Amino acid sequence: EPEVTQTPSHQVTQMGQEVILRCVPISNHLYFYWYRQILGQKVEFLVSFYNNEISEKSEIFDDQFSVERPDGSNFTLKIRSTKLEDSAMYFCAGGAMNTGELFFGEGSRLTVL
Amino acid sequence: GESVGLHLPTLSVQEGDNSIINCAYSNSASDYFIWYKQESGKGPQFIIDIRSNMDKRQGQRVTVLLNKTVKHLSLQIAATQPGDSAVYFCAETRSGNTGKLIFGQGTTLQVKP
Repeated sequence: EPEVTQTPSHQVTQMGQEVILRCVPISNHLYFYWYRQILGQKVEFLVSFYNNEISEKSEIFDDQFSVERPDGSNFTLKIRSTKLEDSAMYFCAGGAMNTGELFFGEGSRLTVL
Repeated sequence: GESVGLHLPTLSVQEGDNSIINCAYSNSASDYFIWYKQESGKGPQFIIDIRSNMDKRQGQRVTVLLNKTVKHLSLQIAATQPGDSAVYFCAETRSGNTGKLIFGQGTTLQVKP
């Protein structure tokens, strides 16, 4: 069964450093998303991406965040200068259609020290 | 403002019993609701969805009920099994922007053997 894969599974970084989280969505998906989940809390929407551009972003997704789908396969989330409060599990998700049935990866845990 | 929430943080049931997980939402503009299951260390997994033109939808061992009058959503799991142990999130969204999910806080379902 096809699945969404994310790397790294866990990254520890120093505050102020740049981080890139990578995702390989399911091949026939057209809609891509990043969500995050701070430990013990609910899952929060960050950004949606369709047709090679951001379609919507949340208040969390400020100028420090960017997304890219450089080669039609990988979907990346970059945090330019990490803050302590960026520590969370980041989930990539995708969907074939614009529906609520999203397929999530297993997440990348980011720890900012 | 928008909020989606669950009534109970933890629900403990005996294996074989039926489980009912509740959710309240406050945004009247929401017209599409989804339940996700999150097992430990994994990303959310789609269970079932329902649109606002319905009040009940059934899947395999799961039923979702929607009461728009009181803005209430519930997930019923029949004959609960140990593999059902997970955190359950309700999510709401709107037609036309259905990938932007607003998740509730989550209810932990514990199944006792």
